[in-house]
Amino acid sequence: NAGVTQTPKFRVLKTGQSMTLLCAQDMNHEYMYWYRQDPGMGLRLIHYSVGEGTTAKGEVPDGYNVSRLKKQNFLLGLESAAPSQTSVYFCASCLDPGTELHSGNTIYFGEGSWLTVV
Amino acid sequence: GQNIDQPTEMTATEGAIVQINCTYQTSGFNGLFWYQQHAGEAPTFLSYNVLDGLEEKGRFSSFLSRSKGYSYLLLKELQMKDSASYLCAVRGLAPLSGGYNKLIFGAGTRLAVHP
Repeated sequence: NAGVTQTPKFRVLKTGQSMTLLCAQDMNHEYMYWYRQDPGMGLRLIHYSVGEGTTAKGEVPDGYNVSRLKKQNFLLGLESAAPSQTSVYFCASCLDPGTELHSGNTIYFGEGSWLTVV
Repeated sequence: GQNIDQPTEMTATEGAIVQINCTYQTSGFNGLFWYQQHAGEAPTFLSYNVLDGLEEKGRFSSFLSRSKGYSYLLLKELQMKDSASYLCAVRGLAPLSGGYNKLIFGAGTRLAVHP
């Protein structure tokens, strides 16, 4: 029972380099999310997807791109990394058909990816 | 706009009770969540409220007042392992964009439990 898996877990990048974070979930969830977490700022939503082939901007989308070519995978790309993108990145997923309100319809998080841009 | 406020830090003694407050202002409301996050780990689900009142789950309880935009998480019989950050998150409504289950998080409350 893998749940939500993120790779890589740790990465150091030089300014201007590009990289992709991969998120995979095996729960057949429709919704997937990428958050970043910085000290004192909590979790901020970068991009999200409401289903295969869809993506949408969150609170802090600049400098990032995403793709959801397969339902189980959500990729986060940094085309030209900047030191301001040093952060912990969390992927998450949930079922949400849109109207069901029950505690089981919650968001499950991956274990995080620590990214440092120097 | 959307805004979620909770205290930055709290301290408490092992065996005691602590209440962590959360106030929110959102453009829509479809439930409030509490998550626990230990340092270096992913957030884990604690509780969920969508109707007014108290939800109890073992040592943890969560309360919601939608008219006041207010929630609290109550932790009883504190243990050292309860030292963690506690994140309040509100699920908002975004029918046009499809982000119906978009969670907006507060900055979290770092709780330190001392012997």
